[in-house]
Amino acid sequence: NAGVTQTPKFQVLKTGQSMTLQCAQDMNHEYMSWYRQDPGMGLRLIHYSVGAGITDQGEVPNGYNVSRSTTEDFPLRLLSAAPSQTSVYFCASRLNGQANTEAFFGQGTRLTVV
Amino acid sequence: KNQVEQSPQSLIILEGKNCTLQCNYTVSPFSNLRWYKQDTGRGPVSLTIMTFSENTKSNGRYTATLDADTKQSSLHITASQLSDSASYICVVSLKPFSGGYNKLIFGAGTRLAVHP
Repeated sequence: NAGVTQTPKFQVLKTGQSMTLQCAQDMNHEYMSWYRQDPGMGLRLIHYSVGAGITDQGEVPNGYNVSRSTTEDFPLRLLSAAPSQTSVYFCASRLNGQANTEAFFGQGTRLTVV
Repeated sequence: KNQVEQSPQSLIILEGKNCTLQCNYTVSPFSNLRWYKQDTGRGPVSLTIMTFSENTKSNGRYTATLDADTKQSSLHITASQLSDSASYICVVSLKPFSGGYNKLIFGAGTRLAVHP
């Protein structure tokens, strides 16, 4: 009963490095999304996908890329890490993007950029 | 501007006591309101989802209320346990325009500590 699985759990990067945060779900959900959580703020949407091959930007997309080649996987790429990207990142999935569908979250990736 | 504000920011209570967390929102058009529990180092887990027509919903010792007229919600925790120590996040779902998807607006959360 895996649900939403994120890897890695912790990561330290140097400024300018790139990396990919992995997210996989085994619930056959259409809708997947990435959020960042910063102290004193609510989760903010980075990118989302409504199905394989379809992605769109959220409210804070700059510096991040996503792709959705399969229903299960939704990786988040940091192109050139900056200290402002130090945060906790959560992947979430929902059956679809409609009104009352429950969102399931991964355990998070704590990223520090030095 | 669509916003969700929660109070208090943090709260300490003794085990066995009750507490109430508050959520005010200025989200329009409104679709539903959710409460999540987030344990330290974990992702949020859903407690309740309430639509416009629902004014109370319970999940065990957790009871959420919604007043859509005043745009306020509360989460009441009864007979608190040490395992209730967590952050509680209020989330309001925007009703999308035609063909769109429900965007979630997150509050910053209330951090609850239950002490023995």
